[in-house]
Formats: sequence, structure tokens, C-alpha cells
Amino acid sequence: EDQLVETGGGLIQPGGSLRLSCVVSGFSVSEAYMSWVRQAPGKGLEWISVFYSGGKRQYADSVKGRFTISRDNSMNTLFLQMNNLRAEDTALYYCTRGDYGGHVFNLGVWGMGTTVTVSS
Amino acid sequence: QSALTQPASVSASPGQAISISCTGTSSDIGGYTYVSWFQQHPGKAPKLMIYNVNNRPSGVSDRFSGSKSGNTASLSISGLQAEDEADYYCASYTSSNTLAFGGGTKLTVL
Repeated sequence: EDQLVETGGGLIQPGGSLRLSCVVSGFSVSEAYMSWVRQAPGKGLEWISVFYSGGKRQYADSVKGRFTISRDNSMNTLFLQMNNLRAEDTALYYCTRGDYGGHVFNLGVWGMGTTVTVSS
Repeated sequence: QSALTQPASVSASPGQAISISCTGTSSDIGGYTYVSWFQQHPGKAPKLMIYNVNNRPSGVSDRFSGSKSGNTASLSISGLQAEDEADYYCASYTSSNTLAFGGGTKLTVL
């Protein structure tokens, strides 16, 4: 069974940095399209980044230049490095797997999320 | 402000049918067949209910169906059940090679 487990969230001051991890089991992160999606408290879903299996990466405008998605194939883990954090980055961050039915953004597998709170 | 527009809420009684609309532009919904729908219960992760406009993942009830016309996609649920009460989000691939979500619709089963 495919599983995703996110860790690394916490309370961080504005301007600070945090790295989220998503440990994958049941499949190889190197062969999958992996995205990060976040949800601010009481708000809707926001896609923020994707790592294509071939290595291409894409970001939402709201995080471009501040967040970096990466993966470690040997650890079967996806990462999200978040720099220069702002209050509006406060959210529950989900790791997801796409390619259900053959498209990168058919997000068929979700983790339970890790909470990031940006506050002084 | 969300890229895709959904009604904030919809309600109906058990056994009835409802439809939730999701309006975008020719740069997202209108331009591609990659529209998906997610169900989210309180405190839970979203669940993929519809992909590629009108396909159901294995295990999803056939009471759920999707469609698209022009720049608007729709999720229909027939024979409403209490367990269908949840938030529903549409999503679409975009011309910028990104994913846009709708703002979400709260479904209340009266």
C-alpha cells in the first residue's frame, strides 16, 4: 500500500527557514510525480510545488524563489525547503503523489500533513 | 482569491441529487481534460473522487460523476447520504503547467 508520512513542521519566526520531509513507502519516489499542497487554517487547498519523475520542478508564484522541492532517491524521501517564511505560509502541508490515471496532477495519494506555524 | 470559482455551500436532503459547479477559464478548465475533484471530511486529508473530468478511482461510489462544458466543470452526487457531507474541491491543470484549486464547497446533508 502506498503511504506518505510528512514530518518537519513546527513553530518558526517570520523570516526563518524550515525543511519538510515526506517519507514514501510502497513505491519509488524517483518514479513518481510528487507535489506539495498546503491548507491554511479554515481555508481551501493550495498547490505549491511539483517534482516530476524526470527531474523537472515547478512552483506556484506564491512560493517561487523562497521554497525548493527536492528528493533523495536512496532515502525514498521528498523534501520541501522553505526559506524567508511569512505569516501567510502558516498552513497544514500535505505531500501527495500524482499520476493516477496518467496525469501528474491527478493526486491519488495523500499524507496526513505536517503543520507549519509562522509567528513571532 | 482562488483561480477556480465554486459556490461556498450547497445543501440537500438524503436521497436527493446535487451538482457543484467549478468555473475557470480557457487557460485551465476550458483548455484541458485534466479536471479533478476531491472530498475532504473535517480533520482528514483530501480524497480523489474524480479525475480527468469524468473518471472515478477504484472504490469511489458510482453515485459520484463529473462533467465539463466550456470553462465550467461540475461534480454531481446522486442519492445523497449522510456520509457525503464534506468539503469538495475542484482542481485543474493550467497552461502555466501548474495546478489550480477551487475555493471549496461545503456540502450539507439536511
